[in-house]
Amino acid sequence: DAKTTQPTSMDCAEGRAANLPCNHSTISGNEYVYWYRQIHSQGPQYIIHGLKNNETNEMASLIITEDRKSSTLILPHATLRDTAVYYCIVRRETSYDKVIFGPGTSLSVIP
Amino acid sequence: KAGVTQTPRYLIKTRGQQVTLSCSPISGHRSVSWYQQTPGQGLQFLFEYFSETQRNKGNFPGRFSGRQFSNSRSEMNVSTLELGDSALYLCASSPGEFSGANVLTFGAGSRLTVL
Repeated sequence: DAKTTQPTSMDCAEGRAANLPCNHSTISGNEYVYWYRQIHSQGPQYIIHGLKNNETNEMASLIITEDRKSSTLILPHATLRDTAVYYCIVRRETSYDKVIFGPGTSLSVIP
Repeated sequence: KAGVTQTPRYLIKTRGQQVTLSCSPISGHRSVSWYQQTPGQGLQFLFEYFSETQRNKGNFPGRFSGRQFSNSRSEMNVSTLELGDSALYLCASSPGEFSGANVLTFGAGSRLTVL
């Protein structure tokens, strides 16, 4: 079973910020939170990851709650090209654990 | 910097046949992992290789196998194909060992159709 839960689908108006939540209530102290997205059955594309602190890169921001039980991926100015399935996964820092993907969130950016 | 290359991109096979898929990781990456994606089951982990050794395996029958070569390139094989093996097969590579400390970079996938 996936270690994360996400909404099945979300809509966002073009140009607005898209905030995608992820629950990982059983996360361990040495587990990273990763976000990937997949467009039209292409290979998943890495977006961002973090361990404890909030992170920002050219694509998105990752906000992790202080207790680390949930996080939010923020796409600051969503475009139509951001329409995709977004996956939130957790991975241990030092382990060969299997990577477990849930069904993800299908984000539709509306013109 | 070239990304993860998977070949072939599309292929059609019939039941009972076998198939071999290839994955060339990003130059310098030593870990390669494989995934199966179907509409019903989503993205599922198949196995992972590091330094030519399989380190972990998902819950798939023995018909699914793989290997990694000394240059880190990897192949996966599915024997005695079944209709349910129709899927997008994805490969990912990472620079170090297979851990959360290393980002996975995925290829575009190989779309297998079994008739």
